[in-house]
Amino acid sequence: GAGVSQSPSNKVTEKGKDVELRCDPISGHTALYWYRQSLGQGLEFLIYFQGNSAPDKSGLPSDRFSAERTGGSVSTLTIQRTQQEDSAVYLCASSLATGRVSLEQYFGPGTRLTVT
Amino acid sequence: GDSVTQMEGPVTLSEEAFLTINCTYTATGYPSLFWYVQYPGEGLQLLLKATKADDKGSNKGFEATYRKETTSFHLEKGSVQVSDSAVYFCALLSSNTGKLIFGQGTTLQVKP
Repeated sequence: GAGVSQSPSNKVTEKGKDVELRCDPISGHTALYWYRQSLGQGLEFLIYFQGNSAPDKSGLPSDRFSAERTGGSVSTLTIQRTQQEDSAVYLCASSLATGRVSLEQYFGPGTRLTVT
Repeated sequence: GDSVTQMEGPVTLSEEAFLTINCTYTATGYPSLFWYVQYPGEGLQLLLKATKADDKGSNKGFEATYRKETTSFHLEKGSVQVSDSAVYFCALLSSNTGKLIFGQGTTLQVKP
């Protein structure tokens, strides 16, 4: 079956512009995660959805970052007024989730964001 | 908070050499432990996992044993191949939050 897909695969944007990154999880996976992979910081957790709600937003680096999920499926990560330090690969993952215990996460190929 | 520490790379080995990549963790509760691999130009893939103490995860010749007494989950392979060249990430899945916490990654380069 299809895995986690993300779009676009690459995005180059000018500093100050807004960007939207999309994630399509594996069908039937109720939990969805966003991570960021950057040279200086390694792999960082950003936000987690269970269904359409986000019980853990603790990893969002600033109020310029937001995410939503509708219909328990597709999620969009939005970065407003992008800065050069936002340049990174943004990874999405999904998993089956039972209560508060989540199972293994399956990752998408990522979106490489470059802010010029 | 929960954290994962893995040995710094890069690790450079000759083909058929023995591989060990060390990983230790700090966590409350009873986390699950994972090794993920990222091949050049590709996304993260789950390599193996262990969900409780003394479990051994294995896949593609790689093994790791969940050692609660030493809070470790070292990755081993008896004979590496050039195709194993990749970045390896140790991670724990917090039993409280469901959040994956990653180590900083270890680059492995295998030379023919």
